[in-house]
Amino acid sequence: GQQLNQSPQSMFIQEGEDVSMNCTSSSIFNTWLWYKQEPGEGPVLLIALYKAGELTSNGRLTAQFGITRKDSFLNISASIPSDVGIYFCAGRRGSSNTGKLIFGQGTTLQVKP
Amino acid sequence: DGGITQSPKYLFRKEGQNVTLSCEQNLNHDAMYWYRQDPGQGLRLIYYSQIVNDFQKGDIAEGYSVSREKKESFPLTVTSAQKNPTAFYLCASSRSGQGVYEQYFGPGTRLTVT
Repeated sequence: GQQLNQSPQSMFIQEGEDVSMNCTSSSIFNTWLWYKQEPGEGPVLLIALYKAGELTSNGRLTAQFGITRKDSFLNISASIPSDVGIYFCAGRRGSSNTGKLIFGQGTTLQVKP
Repeated sequence: DGGITQSPKYLFRKEGQNVTLSCEQNLNHDAMYWYRQDPGQGLRLIYYSQIVNDFQKGDIAEGYSVSREKKESFPLTVTSAQKNPTAFYLCASSRSGQGVYEQYFGPGTRLTVT
């Protein structure tokens, strides 16, 4: 099945730095979701986006629904050690008539104190 | 508290045995999903159900079976036909339709088959 192209695959940053990651697709999506997963746990929903151009924040996290509807971005400002985890994007295709989501392969974030 | 529960957290089985993973939700969601996660990979959809007594195959349904007899429950059976069953299995649920497609995940079951 199709997967989204998520990049970077991994990041190792210093505490306090800002982080950016993105997700792209060749298809148009009408929903973008961003999740965080910690080791051995299920993913937790961070932000949901439903409109092209939409910019939504959740604390230090900001996500955007790309204007072309083929991409989405997640930024984390002033990273802290507890930001460590795997961040997944997920999208629902515009042509879909179900709630099925397609997931990216994840961005592994490590933060050095 | 509303949420999704999966049990057990860890499961060990011998090759050739079928095993059933439990998933229960009290969020009153119509739709439920099963995903498989392997190291370094994203989530791959096994089966999903949008309504009671109905379910569809996802991208990697071979060697798995499901049932949806109750709205709250969506058990997954990993059969002996699944060639590489060792993985982390995640269950999720969501509202159906109404333009909202946020899926909420359970804590996962790690299955090891030897």
